[in-house]
Amino acid sequence: AQTVTQSQPEMSVQEAETVTLSCTYDTSENNYYLFWYKQPPSRQMILVIRQEAYKQQNATENRFSVNFQKAAKSFSLKISDSQLGDTAMYFCAFMANDMRFGAGTRLTVKP
Amino acid sequence: DTAVSQTPKYLVTQMGNDKSIKCEQNLGHDTMYWYKQDSKKFLKIMFSYNNKELIINETVPNRFSPKSPDKAHLNLHINSLELGDSAVYFCASSQKVGLNKNEQFFGPGTRLTVL
Repeated sequence: AQTVTQSQPEMSVQEAETVTLSCTYDTSENNYYLFWYKQPPSRQMILVIRQEAYKQQNATENRFSVNFQKAAKSFSLKISDSQLGDTAMYFCAFMANDMRFGAGTRLTVKP
Repeated sequence: DTAVSQTPKYLVTQMGNDKSIKCEQNLGHDTMYWYKQDSKKFLKIMFSYNNKELIINETVPNRFSPKSPDKAHLNLHINSLELGDSAVYFCASSQKVGLNKNEQFFGPGTRLTVL
């Protein structure tokens, strides 16, 4: 069975600083996709970044980047220059045959 | 234009009632999903469905049933509602091919409260 673990239930960061959210997963699949979703208080699920397992290069999207370590089954999210609008729940997700989500990390950006 | 829409956004009902939540996607995707997010924010897949295959999470009670009148719609019917059904239900869609394959686009969610 595929599982996704986010070991940090809550985190906080000062505005303009950098924060890293951790995610590990367990699978026997070789081809899969990894995602980070953001859920602000509005409840909307918003895709932040995605990574294909066959790509060695880490994905980046503006202030968001990942550190994908396939052998270690690790997929952390780095948010640079944190902004108040980054305050949200962040979910790591794994997709092979179906989508599995981690339990989420509640991130608070402090002014 | 809204990519994935759900109605209603809020639903308050009595225990024992039967209710439906509607979902529509205008992205041309081939697969649609229903998720349940509980009060602790855990997201669990309930169903995934394309025109050929319905995959049911075995933990979902059979009081829940998806109905797909066409490729763009996947409605969720719930019979004999129970207090524990209170949650936020998300619809999502994705496609198996193309640039954004397997990326799931989510609806805004429906907050169901069972009294």
